[in-house]
Amino acid sequence: GPKVLQIPSHQIIDMGQMVTLNCDPVSNHLYFYWYKQILGQQMEFLVNFYNGKVMEKSKLFKDQFSVERPDGSYFTLKIQPTALEDSAVYFCASSFTRGSDYTFGSGTRLLVI
Amino acid sequence: GDQVEQSPSALSLHEGTGSALRCNFTTTMRAVQWFQQNSRGSLINLFYLASGTKENGRLKSTFNSKESYSTLHIRDAQLEDSGTYFCAASDPNSNNRIFFGDGTQLVVKP
Repeated sequence: GPKVLQIPSHQIIDMGQMVTLNCDPVSNHLYFYWYKQILGQQMEFLVNFYNGKVMEKSKLFKDQFSVERPDGSYFTLKIQPTALEDSAVYFCASSFTRGSDYTFGSGTRLLVI
Repeated sequence: GDQVEQSPSALSLHEGTGSALRCNFTTTMRAVQWFQQNSRGSLINLFYLASGTKENGRLKSTFNSKESYSTLHIRDAQLEDSGTYFCAASDPNSNNRIFFGDGTQLVVKP
């Protein structure tokens, strides 16, 4: 079936540096999401994005986080500066409408050292 | 999560046996999805239901929106079924955002 691709699959970065996580959503999907998962536990909602704008964000979406999808290319999550507690697996997802099924990527495993 | 109560949190099965996972919702949900997170961490989409029952191989899922619950039945469990299973439901009162259960860690033993 259609897939969401995430690049890179793994990233190690020094605390304080900037990192950009890339997501290539399903081609006809209009809504995009980022989720954070620590140690294989709960899936925590971060943000959703539609029509070039952040529609909703959670308390976990700190000021250091930003998302964009310039010119229909990758949907990105940028963290600047990174902190140790940002270490987690970040999942991107997309859906055609708000209520339709989500397709998730395989995640980017981020380690901040 | 608060809106979704998933049980059990952990489950151990012998190969060839079966069991059911359940998610109860604290409000009326529009739809539910079930995912398997495998050993590599990838989320595999198992089912999406707006109502009723769907079956795929050894898996069957039911969503009862009126009674606010969903189940995932696994029969004839195989070793590769091991992993963490999540339900996620879309809440029409929250712009259809999906809320995840806390997951069920399934171990299938020989």
